[in-house]
Amino acid sequence: KAGVTQTPRYLIKTRGQQVTLSCSPISGHRSVSWYQQTPGQGLQFLFEYFSETQRNKGNFPGRFSGRQFSNSRSEMNVSTLELGDSALYLCASSLRTGGNEKLFFGSGTQLSVL
Amino acid sequence: DQQVKQNSPSLSVQEGRISILNCDYTNSMFDYFLWYKKYPAEGPTFLISISSIKDKNEDGRFTVFLNKSAKHLSLHIVPSQPGDSAVYFCAASPNNAGNMLTFGGGTRLMVKP
Repeated sequence: KAGVTQTPRYLIKTRGQQVTLSCSPISGHRSVSWYQQTPGQGLQFLFEYFSETQRNKGNFPGRFSGRQFSNSRSEMNVSTLELGDSALYLCASSLRTGGNEKLFFGSGTQLSVL
Repeated sequence: DQQVKQNSPSLSVQEGRISILNCDYTNSMFDYFLWYKKYPAEGPTFLISISSIKDKNEDGRFTVFLNKSAKHLSLHIVPSQPGDSAVYFCAASPNNAGNMLTFGGGTRLMVKP
């Protein structure tokens, strides 16, 4: 079974631009979560989607948004990029939402904002 | 406000000995706890989890202990192997919060041959 796939692997953008990251969950998984990892703040929850609906949202500004498609694939978008958005963005999938689920993570997209 | 804390940023252990990684939390609503292992340039890999109705869960060389009254959990690795060298994150989730995990800052474990 293929794991969680994230594209692109690396991305370089400049301040003010916008970026879209993609995540394909493990086949059959319906929940997709996004996390941001930075050296200073660690791993922080961005949002979770289940059956195309946003179920939970972390404490991030509205510049961070996401969506989930009917095939469970998900995208996240960051508009008006700031230097502080440079981070590893991780996607995780699970079969269900809640109920003590194990999350399976992808390798992440390393975003650098110059 | 860090709700999940790993107070030791690094730990060095000799191969074959026990590694003990610690994690403290403050949110009483947390009822599910997980440990993840992360190598550089890879996503975290699930290791072991424990529900708040238990105080111990074992899987091979890995054992997680939960002390609810102290709001403390620990991961024991016995015996430690050089391949265990990685960053270990503990994470917690409250009931009915979907898959929203709160992570600790991580502990870098180095197992010396």
